[in-house]
Amino acid sequence: KNQVEQSPQSLIILEGKNCTLQCNYTVSPFSNLRWYKQDTGRGPVSLTIMTFSENTKSNGRYTATLDADTKQSSLHITASQLSDSASYICVVSQGSSASKIIFGSGTRLSIRP
Amino acid sequence: DGGITQSPKYLFRKEGQNVTLSCEQNLNHDAMYWYRQDPGQGLRLIYYSQIVNDFQKGDIAEGYSVSREKKESFPLTVTSAQKNPTAFYLCASTPRGQGYGYTFGSGTRLTVV
Repeated sequence: KNQVEQSPQSLIILEGKNCTLQCNYTVSPFSNLRWYKQDTGRGPVSLTIMTFSENTKSNGRYTATLDADTKQSSLHITASQLSDSASYICVVSQGSSASKIIFGSGTRLSIRP
Repeated sequence: DGGITQSPKYLFRKEGQNVTLSCEQNLNHDAMYWYRQDPGQGLRLIYYSQIVNDFQKGDIAEGYSVSREKKESFPLTVTSAQKNPTAFYLCASTPRGQGYGYTFGSGTRLTVV
């Protein structure tokens, strides 16, 4: 069964600290993996996209990694800010077929001052 | 600026009523999607449309209906047949298939009263 599992479900860290969010998937055939940031009551916004051949991609203080062999991805946030408080959603595309997008349930990140 | 506009932001429905959620995009995207988001769960696909006058059921289409009379517009009707409609609804679009990444609207929160 095609699944995307994220961990932890929720995380609280102090402002200025780093953190890493995990995404494991069993989607096949794999097309790409995206990380989205969703602020409360808003739509998700794309942070990064990674294809099979990419291992690392950065977007400011966000760095995503992908290990296609173990089917794992991580999102590392450096020097966290209060505005990083949001849900982070891992999304895996299966091939290029429509409706073949699998969403993880997200990690709820809270940054405390 | 190009984007997706969802309205209203908040919507209240009485038992037995049909309500329609609006989704308009000016990105010239071919494909549009409706997702439902419940707490602690990943986004679930309700309906999608890849071209005007054509749409397909997603994973949870029962109790919902859509139309795609214009490229820019993809309204979702939540009918009285939907037994548990309280949720956050997200509209999204892509230039072509889902593998090309979503642009999301800001969402509509529907509550049954």
